[in-house]
Amino acid sequence: AQKVTQAQTEISVVEKEDVTLDCVYETRDTTYYLFWYKQPPSGELVFLIRRNSFDEQNEISGRYSWNFQKSTSSFNFTITASQVVDSAVYFCALSESAGGTSYGKLTFGQGTILTVHP
Amino acid sequence: GAGVSQSPSNKVTEKGKDVELRCDPISGHTALYWYRQSLGQGLEFLIYFQGNSAPDKSGLPSDRFSAERTGGSVSTLTIQRTQQEDSAVYLCASSSGLKLTDTQYFGPGTRLTVL
Repeated sequence: AQKVTQAQTEISVVEKEDVTLDCVYETRDTTYYLFWYKQPPSGELVFLIRRNSFDEQNEISGRYSWNFQKSTSSFNFTITASQVVDSAVYFCALSESAGGTSYGKLTFGQGTILTVHP
Repeated sequence: GAGVSQSPSNKVTEKGKDVELRCDPISGHTALYWYRQSLGQGLEFLIYFQGNSAPDKSGLPSDRFSAERTGGSVSTLTIQRTQQEDSAVYLCASSSGLKLTDTQYFGPGTRLTVL
């Protein structure tokens, strides 16, 4: 069965520090997608990135970067020069085909609470 | 364009009462998902719709939970005879299709409190 583990329950940093959020996943499928979502205090989950299992290229978007390593089943998320507005709960999620019937059910990790202090 | 909307944003009810939670997906999105977010269980999948059909209801916690979707648009999640353990935030998401590549966009959620 699929599983997503975010071992860091809470992280606290000071503004301008870099921070990495860890995500480890388990799946038996060869085709799957990994996601990161941000949940600010308002509560709405905001999509950040999607990555497929065949593309191990790292991705950078502004201050955000993602490191996908199939060898370690990890999909880590780094925020460079963190800002107070980055304070939120961050979720890693996995989507995979289910017994040949593909649909986008997401399996989420437990989330990491990031607090960035001024 | 407009995102996913959910109503009510907050619902307080007494144990044993029935509640209905509503989700309006993004216009044109054929797939709709319900998730529940609670302190003990994190974010868990409940049910999904393709059009008006719900092929997989295995995520529903009990037979007190049901959901329907009409006109390929609005969906309602109904909880009968609510229990305190039903207290959670119920999140709805929609996507343009069911492919793994179709990103799900989430609504703001309905916070349900069962007294």
